[in-house]
Amino acid sequence: NFMLTQPHSVSESPGKTVTISCTRSSGTIASNYVQWYQQRPGSSPTTVIYEDNQRPSGVPDRFSGSIDSSSNSASLTISGLTPEDEAVYYCQSYDSSIPWVFGGGTRLTVL
Amino acid sequence: QVQLQESGPGLVKPSQTLSLTCTVSGGSITSTTYYWSWIRQPAGKGLEWIGRIYTSGSTHYNPSLKSRVTMSIDTSKNQFSLKLQSMTSADAAVYYCARVPITWIDVWGKGTSVTVSS
Repeated sequence: NFMLTQPHSVSESPGKTVTISCTRSSGTIASNYVQWYQQRPGSSPTTVIYEDNQRPSGVPDRFSGSIDSSSNSASLTISGLTPEDEAVYYCQSYDSSIPWVFGGGTRLTVL
Repeated sequence: QVQLQESGPGLVKPSQTLSLTCTVSGGSITSTTYYWSWIRQPAGKGLEWIGRIYTSGSTHYNPSLKSRVTMSIDTSKNQFSLKLQSMTSADAAVYYCARVPITWIDVWGKGTSVTVSS
């Protein structure tokens, strides 16, 4: 089994850009798609990025995803931060032995 | 627009079996495009994948829960279900059902809170 490790929290000012990392402990990050979910307080999660860098309909292009094989990690980048982006963000991936693994979540504070 | 709604008891006694149902509206559970999943989230903690079921009834469970989990699908009612045996306080969580187009979740239910207490 593998783990996905995220920073516990990040913070940034409105209008700025923030990047959240998700590091895979074993196996190759590029071998299986990575998804990112946003969860605002008191709400169900929603998908902001799927299959590494795809945005579901309705998600603004301020959200982008990428993969870095050299660090075996995925990243979620949010530009033009607004207070509405304040939430917990989870990465998720899989492999053949355990279909789905979630990262521990990163709390984004927009100061 | 497809919507998912979880239902079931909010309170379960220790050692008992949790039974939850997810009702799919606005779309068919027999679609071959999707899996149907359960995910849970203990209060103040992260997400945990429980398992998934396909319209054929084929299942795949989280190895950490596999011995206690059973999922089923009722195409006549457009519902799928979760049973989790031998409940303990560690199983207290918000339980979400979700629609999965293979690799990601495109529709989440609102979640149902489950407390484990005698």
